[in-house]
Amino acid sequence: QKEVEQNSGPLSVPEGAIASLNCTYSDRGSQSFFWYRQYSGKSPELIMFIYSNGDKEDGRFTAQLNKASQYVSLLIRDSQPSDSATYLCAVCAGLNQGGKLIFGQGTELSVKP
Amino acid sequence: KAGVTQTPRYLIKTRGQQVTLSCSPISGHRSVSWYQQTPGQGLQFLFEYFSETQRNKGNFPGRFSGRQFSNSRSEMNVSTLELGDSALYLCASRPGGAETQYFGPGTRLLVL
Repeated sequence: QKEVEQNSGPLSVPEGAIASLNCTYSDRGSQSFFWYRQYSGKSPELIMFIYSNGDKEDGRFTAQLNKASQYVSLLIRDSQPSDSATYLCAVCAGLNQGGKLIFGQGTELSVKP
Repeated sequence: KAGVTQTPRYLIKTRGQQVTLSCSPISGHRSVSWYQQTPGQGLQFLFEYFSETQRNKGNFPGRFSGRQFSNSRSEMNVSTLELGDSALYLCASRPGGAETQYFGPGTRLLVL
């Protein structure tokens, strides 16, 4: 079992719709969770991070964390064609592991005009 | 603030050679982590340096090594290059007390 799992996609949504990206992780001791966006040929760009159970909103993005279910998700409201990219879920194990992120394989999102 | 910078951006080497990649973190960031990204394996952690000391190491062979200087700049070295080392090598920096990492543009290495 991979440590961090994501659906590879591609996930296709129409412009203006809500895109829902999901991630599960295996290490119950994981403390911090991150979503990165990566455009083709570019490096990952941080979108959001979340540490506590519940929802965290930032503009059109909402991260949701459920530690009991070992599940993290990212919702993108009012999706735009410019949101088309690969979204990477990353998990940090916590204490003394701050510089080590474990990444999922990424979900490719395509927003159709 | 300037972002993370990496040099060179592109590199072509042949099998058996060695290569050194450089990373300058965001000003004030003392931690630098290195990752390898390939289509098959995705993004994998190589190692992290903090205050010139290696803090964490991923599951890579000893051909992969790194170091950090007193100004927090970091280098990674790959010796005896193999075809499978062709990848995008990314470095990321973070402040010492936070876990949020910011990535540089990467160095794309092609081994022929």
